[in-house]
Amino acid sequence: DQQVKQNSPSLSVQEGRISILNCDYTNSMFDYFLWYKKYPAEGPTFLISISSIKDKNEDGRFTVFLNKSAKHLSLHIVPSQPGDSAVYFCAASARVSAASKLTFGTGTRLQVTL
Amino acid sequence: DVKVTQSSRYLVKRTGEKVFLECVQDMDHENMFWYRQDPGLGLRLIYFSYDVKMKEKGDIPEGYSVSREKKERFSLILESASTNQTSMYLCASSLPPSPLHFGNGTRLTVT
Repeated sequence: DQQVKQNSPSLSVQEGRISILNCDYTNSMFDYFLWYKKYPAEGPTFLISISSIKDKNEDGRFTVFLNKSAKHLSLHIVPSQPGDSAVYFCAASARVSAASKLTFGTGTRLQVTL
Repeated sequence: DVKVTQSSRYLVKRTGEKVFLECVQDMDHENMFWYRQDPGLGLRLIYFSYDVKMKEKGDIPEGYSVSREKKERFSLILESASTNQTSMYLCASSLPPSPLHFGNGTRLTVT
C-alpha cells in the first residue's frame, strides 16, 4: 500500500520556467513533509520541509505548498536551472518532532532543458 | 557537516551468500536507518535503530537483519542473499528534529 504517491515519474521543463512536482498521501497521521533531491550515484539530499501547521514554506527558488484537506503537496522551483535535473522524492513522517522514519514516494525525475 | 559513509559503492555476491553492508556516521546521531531504492518503488525502509543495540523493523524487513553494537555504526545483514535483493541500499542517520542524512549508497547485485 503506497501511502505517499508521486504519480508523475518524469517531468521536462525549460530552463527559466517553473517546475511543479506533485505528491499525494493517504495517511492522515502524517504531519511533517519533506522533499529530497537525488543525483545519480549519490544519496538523497534534503531540500525543504513543511509541517502540517503551515500551508507554505519557501527557501530561495524552492517553495513547498501543503493542502491538508486534499492530502496533497507540491514543490515549485522557480526559475528552473539545469543543475536542478535530478530525481525528487517526496517523504512524510507521522511525528513532527522526529522527522524520522520517513515514508517516501516513488520519485519524479526532473529534466531541465536549455 | 554530517558524513554518512557506506563501506562499499558496488558489491557482487552469489545467491545464498551472507552479505554485510556497513554504515558509519560521524555526528553522534541517535537514529540510523537502512532503505533500499528500486525503480518505480522509491525508497523503502528495511530496519531502523534509535539507540545502541536497539532495532525496529521497517516496512520490508524479510530476509534482512541488522546490528548496532556502537552508536556510530549500523550494519545490514542479508542472511542468505537472493536475486530479489539486488538493489541500491541507502543508509541514513538523524538527530531529531533534523532531517535524515544519507550515505551515497551501495549497489548490490546478487547473481
